[in-house]
Amino acid sequence: TQLLEQSPQFLSIQEGENLTVYCNSSSVFSSLQWYRQEPGEGPVLLVTVVTGGEVKKLKRLTFQFGDARKDSSLHITAAQPGDTGLYLCAGRPSGYALNFGKGTSLLVTP
Amino acid sequence: EAQVTQNPRYLITVTGKKLTVTCSQNMNHEYMSWYRQDPGLGLRQIYYSMNVEVTDKGDVPEGYKVSRKEKRNFPLILESPSPNQTSLYFCASSFGTGGEQYFGPGTRLTVT
Repeated sequence: TQLLEQSPQFLSIQEGENLTVYCNSSSVFSSLQWYRQEPGEGPVLLVTVVTGGEVKKLKRLTFQFGDARKDSSLHITAAQPGDTGLYLCAGRPSGYALNFGKGTSLLVTP
Repeated sequence: EAQVTQNPRYLITVTGKKLTVTCSQNMNHEYMSWYRQDPGLGLRQIYYSMNVEVTDKGDVPEGYKVSRKEKRNFPLILESPSPNQTSLYFCASSFGTGGEQYFGPGTRLTVT
């Protein structure tokens, strides 16, 4: 069961542009995680958001957890080619099984 | 170096021939899990383990078995592989259920 819906599915932008990707659900999550995956490798954790309304910044990346803890967003400022990859959100609505969204595939061209 | 290792990295096999994909972590993590990643379907959890001798089904457990006899190892067993199990498989581990998941490098399996 795919409980986390990510949008857009694909995004192709030029270096220097800003972008936002979304992770939405009808379920409440105690926390959400964002991962980035590069081709041929496993996902790597970027951030975990825990508190409703929380905003976390990681250099040019800003993560927000919705007040109701059902959604999250990732905003990238002045994207660079090194930001290219698949961005995945993940969370546990209940129990211990971890649920991933299908991901947003980002391509940043010079 | 803290890491999750998987073997083999690539495997081509035939329908019905039992196989095992090994997973090992050196971080003393309690929680381990297996995922498969397919185009258009994303990452889906197959099985997870909270600790030694404690395992449970994820979203897509049919056709797979796991065991957790030691804390560091969590092998994935396909008793009778079928072509629909052709996929990219990832093992992951973390300290707790809410902790950062450390992923292995992946195993690309093709069943003909």
